[in-house]
Amino acid sequence: NAGVTQTPKFRILKIGQSMTLQCTQDMNHNYMYWYRQDPGMGLKLIYYSVGAGITDKGEVPNGYNVSRSTTEDFPLRLELAAPSQTSVYFCASSYPPPANMNTEAFFGQGTRLTVV
Amino acid sequence: AQSVAQPEDQVNVAEGNPLTVKCTYSVSGNPYLFWYVQYPNRGLQFLLKYITGDNLVKGSYGFEAEFNKSQTSFHLKKPSALVSDSALYFCAVRDGLKSNYQLIWGAGTKLIIKP
Repeated sequence: NAGVTQTPKFRILKIGQSMTLQCTQDMNHNYMYWYRQDPGMGLKLIYYSVGAGITDKGEVPNGYNVSRSTTEDFPLRLELAAPSQTSVYFCASSYPPPANMNTEAFFGQGTRLTVV
Repeated sequence: AQSVAQPEDQVNVAEGNPLTVKCTYSVSGNPYLFWYVQYPNRGLQFLLKYITGDNLVKGSYGFEAEFNKSQTSFHLKKPSALVSDSALYFCAVRDGLKSNYQLIWGAGTKLIIKP
């Protein structure tokens, strides 16, 4: 089972460059999330989506954009990379929301992004 | 405000000994509590959760956690540690009164099991 797949695994960007982090899941989950993980910190929610065509901001959305054209895919876009966006990014999915009965979020392996 | 605290950055335990990783939380309503584990260069994996019911929750890999409402704690435990349990452990909480889908995460505790 593939689960949640993120690409790329590693990326170095120069300040001002743009890129898209890809995330796809094959579990038919309605809910998808993007988190960033900074050293010594817990995960911070960037954006989430409750279904195709629906997205909403999380805790730290500035500098990022998302789209959800299909159930499977939830790409994260960085338009003008800044050093503050150096982090490890995780995509996750769940059905239904992670705090409901007998459900939990499934995570991808992460994308380590460095902005120099 | 919602928050999660994992007071120990690192916990060291000898193999075969019991282990405890601490977590305390603060929410307005009933808490939905989770433990996840992260192995090096991997995503997070779900271990266990407390939603309602018995205060002692059993999860994957022999782990369990005890919900203590009066102490607002949800400590992770295992009776006999294995070297393979060495990893980063995260506690997370969702406030049952909130209608959003956000989990609030602790900073993580590095668990080191020594042979």
